[in-house]
Amino acid sequence: SQQGEEDPQALSIQEGENATMNCSYKTSINNLQWYRQNSGRGLVHLILIRSNEREKHSGRLRVTLDTSKKSSSLLITASRAADTASYFCATVLFTGANSKLTFGKGITLSVRP
Amino acid sequence: GAVVSQHPSWVICKSGTSVKIECRSLDFQATTMFWYRQFPKQSLMLMATSNEGSKATYEQGVEKDKFLINHASLTLSTLTVTSAHPEDSSFYICSALWSGGDTQYFGPGTRLTVL
Repeated sequence: SQQGEEDPQALSIQEGENATMNCSYKTSINNLQWYRQNSGRGLVHLILIRSNEREKHSGRLRVTLDTSKKSSSLLITASRAADTASYFCATVLFTGANSKLTFGKGITLSVRP
Repeated sequence: GAVVSQHPSWVICKSGTSVKIECRSLDFQATTMFWYRQFPKQSLMLMATSNEGSKATYEQGVEKDKFLINHASLTLSTLTVTSAHPEDSSFYICSALWSGGDTQYFGPGTRLTVL
């Protein structure tokens, strides 16, 4: 069963604006990751945040994690048309020898030039 | 670094035939590889996890005799869709993880269309 649930499901903004996407999950996690997928392509890893971390930055990306609320947010600042893509959060819980990613349904972000 | 390739990028086949998809880690050794499928406008669903030199672990509901996975080396895993049917048409994506790593690196995906 899917663990992460993102909202909104679709987001349309103007270039230069900030985009905020949220993800909620149901069970304990070891870390949470955000990925981007351009149409018909594979996934690009954006950022990983561990369960003992609250915030991480990477370039124009800012991720927060609230384990008490079982939620995470991804903020893209100063968006560009090239940021148009689907964004997925994925949770990881270490089980035995392997760690599995469980993906949410994804958010479609459209950045208008 | 951490590049994963897939071949072919797309394939069209007739119903009843078998199709093999390759997943390669180009610049690192992948002790674990994962296979996902993705239907249009949906999320990725994990099909199976394969560790080099051992049998794959399939997720519930995934037929191991239909989706054969081989992970014979630290840089190559293959997924063979046997006796493909139109409902197997999907986007198949692999990912690779190196020993001790916590980030999966994804291939570009293979679009399978079964006529």
